[in-house]
Amino acid sequence: GAVVSQHPSWVICKSGTSVKIECRSLDFQATTMFWYRQFPKQSLMLMATSNEGSKATYEQGVEKDKFLINHASLTLSTLTVTSAHPEDSSFYICSARDSRLAGEQYFGPGTRLTVT
Amino acid sequence: GESVGLHLPTLSVQEGDNSIINCAYSNSASDYFIWYKQESGKGPQFIIDIRSNMDKRQGQRVTVLLNKTVKHLSLQIAATQPGDSAVYFCAENGGKAGGTSYGKLTFGQGTILTVHP
Repeated sequence: GAVVSQHPSWVICKSGTSVKIECRSLDFQATTMFWYRQFPKQSLMLMATSNEGSKATYEQGVEKDKFLINHASLTLSTLTVTSAHPEDSSFYICSARDSRLAGEQYFGPGTRLTVT
Repeated sequence: GESVGLHLPTLSVQEGDNSIINCAYSNSASDYFIWYKQESGKGPQFIIDIRSNMDKRQGQRVTVLLNKTVKHLSLQIAATQPGDSAVYFCAENGGKAGGTSYGKLTFGQGTILTVHP
């Protein structure tokens, strides 16, 4: 089956530093990947849509200069949280859409970010 | 704005009982709905999906019902097991194919299912 991985699975960083999270589709190609954020006991909120070879599309209220997204290949998208603050602490989840199958999305295991 | 919501935030059942989790959606243009299971500290896991041209779809121990008239979606789990304990989310795929919102998932608030042995 389709597998999506994320790295790291958890990270602790100091306030003001930047953190990069990777999302990889392991056995399929994904022209589109999505980044979500989930706070404790809340639902997943879409942050942005990452398109291979083009700029990401951000949802309303998400700062594009703070959450940098790069989708350099058909199997890799990265999310960089710049100048992280404690309020950025959250569970970040990516999903990848199989280029061959319309609508099919596969989720990664998530990355727990804690900013101290 | 568009939203997908759930009627019940928590549900407790006994092992072996059937569980029903409900979801209301507001975007009448959505044509694809998915149920996900999320265990603590993990990403969502696909359970079952349904397209708007259907009103019922069955999987292994699970059934999804779609009522487009009242914009209501439900997930039925038969013979619920302790391993089914998790948070369950419904999600709608934004808009129709070719539209700007297609492929974007809007998640409901989630229902915590607890199965007691």
